[in-house]
Amino acid sequence: GQQVMQIPQYQHVQEGEDFTTYCNSSTTLSNIQWYKQRPGGHPVFLIQLVKSGEVKKQKRLTFQFGEAKKNSSLHITATQTTDVGTYFCAGFGAGYALNFGKGTSLLVTP
Amino acid sequence: KAGVTQTPRYLIKTRGQQVTLSCSPISGHRSVSWYQQTPGQGLQFLFEYFSETQRNKGNFPGRFSGRQFSNSRSEMNVSTLELGDSALYLCASNYRQGAGDTQYFGPGTRLTVL
Repeated sequence: GQQVMQIPQYQHVQEGEDFTTYCNSSTTLSNIQWYKQRPGGHPVFLIQLVKSGEVKKQKRLTFQFGEAKKNSSLHITATQTTDVGTYFCAGFGAGYALNFGKGTSLLVTP
Repeated sequence: KAGVTQTPRYLIKTRGQQVTLSCSPISGHRSVSWYQQTPGQGLQFLFEYFSETQRNKGNFPGRFSGRQFSNSRSEMNVSTLELGDSALYLCASNYRQGAGDTQYFGPGTRLTVL
């Protein structure tokens, strides 16, 4: 079945540094979604990418979908303490099941 | 619109017992998904319901079951609880957006099995 892998598992940065998390799927994805989960919270939808090579920006966050639609990345410019949390990518597998990566936990120290 | 609600928020059970968790999706959303989240395994898909029908099921034993009612509210049941069932159980209300469903998660039910 489809597997979605994310790296790194953890990332610790100083406030103001950039951060990138990478997502790879074992199969071609119809679309990919990104979620953020704050400590003690629940996943919150960030964005969905659909087209090959698509790039979308949300303020300091830049999302990319690979040309082959098997990988994706999330880049945060100049991290802030409010960026702390775990970032998940997810792709639809068979039927209506959303397969989540294990996530990248970001810690930002001031 | 009100968000996704899950009850109860916290639950402590002992091995062998059974448990029922409830989820009310966002008004107008007809699809509900359930996930189990643990530190080791991450977010794992349990099942998804649409208009009272289970459309897909993840790789969980038959002890895990669910249902959806005509008002889109959903319940999941776990029978013969095991220590390994301790987890955060998340319900997501699904909304079709373009090529895929956007999932709006509830706060979860934290289940501890002793």
